[in-house]
Amino acid sequence: DTAVSQTPKYLVTQMGNDKSIKCEQNLGHDTMYWYKQDSKKFLKIMFSYNNKELIINETVPNRFSPKSPDKAHLNLHINSLELGDSAVYFCASSQDSGSATYNEQFFGPGTRLTVL
Amino acid sequence: KQEVTQIPAALSVPEGENLVLNCSFTDSAIYNLQWFRQDPGKGLTSLLLIQSSQREQTSGRLNASLDKSSGRSTLYIAASQPGDSATYLCAVWGGSYQLTFGKGTKLSVIP
Repeated sequence: DTAVSQTPKYLVTQMGNDKSIKCEQNLGHDTMYWYKQDSKKFLKIMFSYNNKELIINETVPNRFSPKSPDKAHLNLHINSLELGDSAVYFCASSQDSGSATYNEQFFGPGTRLTVL
Repeated sequence: KQEVTQIPAALSVPEGENLVLNCSFTDSAIYNLQWFRQDPGKGLTSLLLIQSSQREQTSGRLNASLDKSSGRSTLYIAASQPGDSATYLCAVWGGSYQLTFGKGTKLSVIP
């Protein structure tokens, strides 16, 4: 039943490791997103994909690489993890990415990443 | 660059009170505004979406208004309940095709 799902829910790892977070949506949406919520609870867009193509890439270190094998999946790979990468990462999806005024976004439950 | 501000940052009210949460944004060229609820350790739940051509939306005890020209939105919660305790986030969908969030208002409803 889950509309947007993410795995894992919690991820604890050492500095310097490489890790991936998976996201899947079963809403039939064309656009998927990754957001980062920092320790102050501020949510900020990282990436946006429309029909498997990157359309937004905010100022994010190139250690972060999104991969979209198909419209329903958007995975986030993080190389050489740093302490400052500790945060909650949210995946989201919406029907459209453009100027549609009814462009409601649906969020996954989040992945809490802790880098030690 | 779009900036979204939410006031107050935290609010504590006794059960049964009506309350208003405020959201303001700097660039009025938006397509829509969305209100979310976030419970501790959980994801975001979409509450209401107001399209740029609309003035308000209602869902149950929630009513959201939008004044695009002045860059303001309010979320009105009637007859608050302890279960309403959460962080409420306002976000605008603008010309840069991304959702810009405020920092949220943490609401506590005291039984």
